Amino acid sequence: SQQGEEDPQALSIQEGENATMNCSYKTSINNLQWYRQNSGRGLVHLILIRSNEREKHSGRLRVTLDTSKKSSSLLITASRAADTASYFCATDSPPSVLQGAQKLVFGQGTRLTINP
Amino acid sequence: DGGITQSPKYLFRKEGQNVTLSCEQNLNHDAMYWYRQDPGQGLRLIYYSQIVNDFQKGDIAEGYSVSREKKESFPLTVTSAQKNPTAFYLCASSIYGGNWSPYEQFFGPGTRLTVL
Repeated sequence: SQQGEEDPQALSIQEGENATMNCSYKTSINNLQWYRQNSGRGLVHLILIRSNEREKHSGRLRVTLDTSKKSSSLLITASRAADTASYFCATDSPPSVLQGAQKLVFGQGTRLTINP
Repeated sequence: DGGITQSPKYLFRKEGQNVTLSCEQNLNHDAMYWYRQDPGQGLRLIYYSQIVNDFQKGDIAEGYSVSREKKESFPLTVTSAQKNPTAFYLCASSIYGGNWSPYEQFFGPGTRLTVL
């Protein structure tokens, strides 16, 4: 089952512009995470936001979370060619029945292309 | 140099054959996971393991098997019962952060399996 849905599915912008990707989910969550995947590679963790947080920053990344709307957004400022990748949101929902593992549910991703 | 390794990078299988994908981590993580990714799609959980000698089915376990005899290793076998095994397989691991404590997952580089 897929809980998160990213929007848009694909985004193409010029280098230096800001990129915004959105994620919507269906059930209440413990936390929401964003990951990046370069073509043909594994995923790299970008940022984690807990359900009681509204905004987090990490370098050029800003993530917001609106639990009332069941949505999150990822903003990449001053984009660079190296930001070209697919971006996935992943949610961890209660009840967290796992004592030692975290069952994340991933969305289908947003393919971001930065044009030089 | 800590991380997760997966081998082989590319694997070709004839119909009716079982194949085993390797996943090793030296991060001292307790939890390990196997995901399947189809083109243009998000990740779907196959199996996960919280601790040595214990593992649980994920959302799409049919046709797959795993073992967890060592903390560092979590091999995945794709059996002949898996009707559509051609996909990109990703292994991940994470720490045990305690009940309700969120944590990121670290991913390997992936194995691309093609059935001929």
